Amino acid sequence: AQSVTQLDSQVPVFEEAPVELRCNYSSSVSVYLFWYVQYPNQGLQLLLKYLSGSTLVKGINGFEAEFNKSQTSFHLRKPSVHISDTAEYFCAVSVGSGSARQLTFGSGTQLTVLP
Amino acid sequence: AAGVIQSPRHLIKEKRETATLKCYPISRHDTVYWYQQGPGQDPQFLISFYEKMQSDKGSIPDRFSAQQFSDYHSELNMSSLELGDSALYFCASSLGRQTYEQYFGPGTRLTVT
Repeated sequence: AQSVTQLDSQVPVFEEAPVELRCNYSSSVSVYLFWYVQYPNQGLQLLLKYLSGSTLVKGINGFEAEFNKSQTSFHLRKPSVHISDTAEYFCAVSVGSGSARQLTFGSGTQLTVLP
Repeated sequence: AAGVIQSPRHLIKEKRETATLKCYPISRHDTVYWYQQGPGQDPQFLISFYEKMQSDKGSIPDRFSAQQFSDYHSELNMSSLELGDSALYFCASSLGRQTYEQYFGPGTRLTVT
């Protein structure tokens, strides 16, 4: 079975500083990795995804993530954060086999951008 | 294009009552997923449907049932509600069950008192 570990439950960072949100996964088969963002009282919005190909993926709002198979990681980065990036971020994995592609989520990282 | 629609957005029920949550997927999307997100927790997969047939089952209690209709909308029926059922319930849809990109609705916040 696959699982996702988000190493930091809360990450405070000052505006315009860089940020990295860490995600590690475990799976014995090929995985497909996602980062979702959840603003307060809202649904989940897809930031970016890794399915195959280039290990560096770029998403919306200036975010990017790098898939590292040897370290089983998929860390999310942004070179300069804004106040509006304050939200909960979830890393998720979908395993490619058989049925519909349900997602397994990590426990989330609350990113708080400080002025 | 319209996104995934969920109704109602908020629902308050008492213990032992029943509730029905509805999900309208994006046009032409034939796969629907339901997730439950408890307070301060990550979303947990409940159940999915593809072409009106149940596809996969996750941690869905026996008190809950769901189905997908001919127009691809889905309903989650919850009976004998418990306090622990209070959560945000998300529906997501995708085009084809082999597709990895899921589009989430805004969620239904269920409060059981």
